[in-house]
Amino acid sequence: AQSVSQHNHHVILSEAASLELGCNYSYGGTVNLFWYVQYPGQHLQLLLKYFSGDPLVKGIKGFEAEFIKSKFSFNLRKPSVQWSDTAEYFCAVSFYGGSQGNLIFGKGTKLSVKP
Amino acid sequence: DVKVTQSSRYLVKRTGEKVFLECVQDMDHENMFWYRQDPGLGLRLIYFSYDVKMKEKGDIPEGYSVSREKKERFSLILESASTNQTSMYLCASSPRGLAYPNEQFFGPGTRLTVL
Repeated sequence: AQSVSQHNHHVILSEAASLELGCNYSYGGTVNLFWYVQYPGQHLQLLLKYFSGDPLVKGIKGFEAEFIKSKFSFNLRKPSVQWSDTAEYFCAVSFYGGSQGNLIFGKGTKLSVKP
Repeated sequence: DVKVTQSSRYLVKRTGEKVFLECVQDMDHENMFWYRQDPGLGLRLIYFSYDVKMKEKGDIPEGYSVSREKKERFSLILESASTNQTSMYLCASSPRGLAYPNEQFFGPGTRLTVL
């Protein structure tokens, strides 16, 4: 079965530090890729997505992610984090021909940014 | 903007009670989903529906059932609530993708406590 792995459960950074959150998936075929964010007390919202084209994707709030097909990875990056980036981040993958509408989610990475 | 609403933000029920969680979306999406979110386990798919009166089991359907009588409404039913069903329940919707599952839009969640 297809799966999505997020390597870090909890990341703690100081403000202005750079961020990279790892995401790997198990499927060798064509995929669509998503990063979602859940701020404390808020609903899950889309940060960015990759469907095709330039493998470097820009999202909201200065986030970006790079799709590396050979490594089955879609890592999330931000050059300089802020306290307001404290949240839980979920990677999700959809697979060509996958079950109607389903995304496969990773278990999430909690990011804590110290002011 | 897509809006997904859930009937309650917080709910407290007793063991053995029948519980209904309601979800409504206003963007005419074909697909709707119910997840539960638990710390360290991420999002786990309970049930999904890709059309009115259609339903498919997700990864953890045991102890749950669903109902989709209208396109915009998807209900999750706990037939006899148990303490291990204490969790955050998230509803989501998405348009039908041609070959790939699409981005999902999430509601604010219902935090259910079963005593």
